[in-house]
Amino acid sequence: DAGVIQSPRHEVTEMGQEVTLRCKPISGHNSLFWYRQTMMRGLELLIYFNNNVPIDDSGMPEDRFSAKMPNASFSTLKIQPSEPRDSAVYFCASSSWTVGDSPLHFGNGTRLTVT
Amino acid sequence: GEDVEQSLFLSVREGDSSVINCTYTDSSSTYLYWYKQEPGAGLQLLTYIFSNMDMKQDQRLTVLLNKKDKHLSLRIADTQTGDSAIYFCAFTASKLTFGTGTRLQVTL
Repeated sequence: DAGVIQSPRHEVTEMGQEVTLRCKPISGHNSLFWYRQTMMRGLELLIYFNNNVPIDDSGMPEDRFSAKMPNASFSTLKIQPSEPRDSAVYFCASSSWTVGDSPLHFGNGTRLTVT
Repeated sequence: GEDVEQSLFLSVREGDSSVINCTYTDSSSTYLYWYKQEPGAGLQLLTYIFSNMDMKQDQRLTVLLNKKDKHLSLRIADTQTGDSAIYFCAFTASKLTFGTGTRLQVTL
């Protein structure tokens, strides 16, 4: 099993540009989560999907952030336009059931730097 | 809302035991988790405990749960340099919530 795969590992972009982060969950997992990690705020849940349907997006900071899961094997997190305060490590995680009943498996993250 | 607290930093000498603590205000979790994050990597599930248990041992790891005091701890016996990482407790209330993380530094 390859685990949760995220791309790119690092992204450096200028303020105002669009950024797209990608995630491939573990095959067979039906829940997918996007987290953001910063020194100031720690680990924050942005959004999660169950069976490709967004269940809770209350953690998405602003309308500049959007996430999609067009199928069970792929998800994207888009920031448009990006701002310097979006700089963080973004993690994708997947699990085989709904939150709390199955452990999360994390990808290695995408380190985003917005200048 | 959920509130999970951990001390930010712990330093121990190689071979000693480490104890990482976590307190929470509210939990309806079936499971309580400990995750480990090594530099440049995502969080990795280390161990977990059922909410109806008060102790679980897994090789060098011992998890203690005091539901009355809402306190969870992770003990690492014979701590090694490879144990240096950030450790997060996590549980579910309305959603999976992570603590702030404790950075464990192991010195020689």
